[in-house]
Amino acid sequence: DIQMTQSPSSLSASVGDRVTITCRASQGISNFLAWYQHKPGKAPKVLLYEASKLETGVPSRFSGSGSGTDFTLTISSLQPEDFATYYCHQYYNTPPWTFGQGTKVEIK
Amino acid sequence: EVQLLEAGGGLVQPGGSLRLSCGASGFTFSTHAMSWVRQAPGKGLEWVSFISGSSSTTYYADSVRGRFTISRDNSKNTLYLQMNSLRAEDTAIYHCASTDYYFDIWGQGTLVTVSS
Repeated sequence: DIQMTQSPSSLSASVGDRVTITCRASQGISNFLAWYQHKPGKAPKVLLYEASKLETGVPSRFSGSGSGTDFTLTISSLQPEDFATYYCHQYYNTPPWTFGQGTKVEIK
Repeated sequence: EVQLLEAGGGLVQPGGSLRLSCGASGFTFSTHAMSWVRQAPGKGLEWVSFISGSSSTTYYADSVRGRFTISRDNSKNTLYLQMNSLRAEDTAIYHCASTDYYFDIWGQGTLVTVSS
């Protein structure tokens, strides 16, 4: 199984800050990586797929990069509605579909 | 509006059974593979099971294989998860998700609590 490791596990940031979350796969996954945003009590929401493609309707302040084993999610200017937990997810070698452990973005 | 709505969660004793359902609307359900993904309290997301659009292919996580069964009724636009021999570690919010390689549509989830 492919293991996904995110860092940091949590971070505190202010509105307007640039935020970067990293995700590392235990083996190469090409660009078969998605990022999700999850708020308590809500449905998770896909932000990016194929590492860097923005899902329809997602604000352009979200961007993704990487290929192989190392990936990043960047929020260029953090907004109040962006405080949530973010997960990376590989779909290169399935089953199983595997997620990173999550990064909780909190208000500083 | 594209929507997935889970139901059927609740409190069940260890060793008990429960059947979850997930109703789909706003898209052609029969052409979409579907999955169940869960989140235990204080933990991250964990994929549980997958079913193809025609039901010809199913997969299970090692943690539930032999105890859980995924199925679907395309005439009712509904996905199911039959959960047997439930354990405390199955306590989680269970989400259904459309599976277009990645999980592109999600429901809000239904809470399953396994406790005596």
